[in-house]
Amino acid sequence: AQSVTQLDSHVSVSEGTPVLLRCNYSSSYSPSLFWYVQHPNKGLQLLLKYTSAATLVKGINGFEAEFKKSETSFHLTKPSAHMSDAAEYFCVVSRTGTASKLTFGTGTRLQVTL
Amino acid sequence: DVKVTQSSRYLVKRTGEKVFLECVQDMDHENMFWYRQDPGLGLRLIYFSYDVKMKEKGDIPEGYSVSREKKERFSLILESASTNQTSMYLCASGRSYSYEQYFGPGTRLTVT
Repeated sequence: AQSVTQLDSHVSVSEGTPVLLRCNYSSSYSPSLFWYVQHPNKGLQLLLKYTSAATLVKGINGFEAEFKKSETSFHLTKPSAHMSDAAEYFCVVSRTGTASKLTFGTGTRLQVTL
Repeated sequence: DVKVTQSSRYLVKRTGEKVFLECVQDMDHENMFWYRQDPGLGLRLIYFSYDVKMKEKGDIPEGYSVSREKKERFSLILESASTNQTSMYLCASGRSYSYEQYFGPGTRLTVT
């Protein structure tokens, strides 16, 4: 079965400093991987996706993630945090079977301070 | 832009009531999903549908049922609401050949 582990439930950074949100995955095949973001009282929005093309994936709002098969990791980074980045972030892995299902991590809450 | 709408943002129901949560998507997507979101647990799949009148159980289907009579609409039904079903419920849709899912804003259900 496929699974993801988000290594930090909370991350706090200062505005203008780098962001690193860590995710490890487990899959018996070559998965698709995603990061979704959820701002307070909003639905989830796709930030970026990896689907076996380039291992470094660029997303919206300056975020990027690197797929590392040897480390089974898909960490999310951003060079410089902005106050508007404060949100909850979910690492997600694809599942096999009917209807293109996904398995979500437990989420990392990013706090950005002045 | 894909739009997924949910019938209510906030809902308060009493224990034992029958509850309907409705979801509508406007992009002719084949797949539709219902999740519940709880702090520290992420999103867990309740049910999904890959076509009209077709449905399959997800990871936590107990206490829930679904209905998909039209392609654009997917309903989640709590036959007899219980306090442990207090949660945020998220609906999503997607194309049959894609893992990408589009989410509605969620319904925060409180059962008292």
